[in-house]
Amino acid sequence: SQQGEEDPQALSIQEGENATMNCSYKTSINNLQWYRQNSGRGLVHLILIRSNEREKHSGRLRVTLDTSKKSSSLLITASRAADTASYFCATISGNTPLVFGKGTRLSVIA
Amino acid sequence: GAGVSQSPRYKVAKRGQDVALRCDPISGHVSLFWYQQALGQGPEFLTYFQNEAQLDKSGLPSDRFFAERPEGSVSTLKIQRTQQEDSAVYLCASSRAEGPGSYEQYFGPGTRLTVT
Repeated sequence: SQQGEEDPQALSIQEGENATMNCSYKTSINNLQWYRQNSGRGLVHLILIRSNEREKHSGRLRVTLDTSKKSSSLLITASRAADTASYFCATISGNTPLVFGKGTRLSVIA
Repeated sequence: GAGVSQSPRYKVAKRGQDVALRCDPISGHVSLFWYQQALGQGPEFLTYFQNEAQLDKSGLPSDRFFAERPEGSVSTLKIQRTQQEDSAVYLCASSRAEGPGSYEQYFGPGTRLTVT
C-alpha cells in the first residue's frame, strides 16, 4: 500500500523555471523524505524533514511540511535539464518501513 | 566509498523458475532493505534486516519470496516458482542506522526481473 500521493503525476517545464511538486499522506508521521529517480543514477535521497520541522533547504531544493494538512511540497528552483527525473515522497510512521508515493515525473526542456 | 551494488542487473526467467538476486550493501551499514517497484509505481517495501536478523518481512507478497542476510552484510532475495506478476525492478537499500527511517537510505541500481 502507498501512503503518499504526489501531485501532479507529470510536469513539464522550461529550463530555468521553478518546479513544484506536492505530496499528501494519510497518517501521522515521524519524518518525510524526498527521493529522485532517473535511469542514470537510480533512486537517490534528496532531503529529510522531521515532523517538528516546517521548512528545509538544500541547494536549489526547498521542502515544506504542513502536518495539520498532512502535506509536503518540494520546490526546485532554476531547473536544469539534469533535473529531469521522477520524484517520490516517502513517509515514516512509528517504526514502520518507508512508504513511497507513486511519484511525479518531471521533464525539464532545454 | 563504493555504493550499494546489485546483481544481476537484468534477469529473464521462465515462469516456474527460481531466481536469486544479490545485494552488496555499503560496508558497515547495519540496516538493509528490499523493495519491489512495478512499472510506473513507487517502490514498495518487502523486507528489512538489522545486521543478520530479519526484523520485518511483512511486505513479502507470498511464501515464494524468501530473503536472507546470514553474515550481516550481503543479502539474497530468492523467488521460487516465478510468476508473471513477479516482473518488476527489485531494489536493495542500506542505511547506517538501526531502524527503518531515521536516516537516509542508499539504494542500489536494482535488478530488473522479467518473467516470461
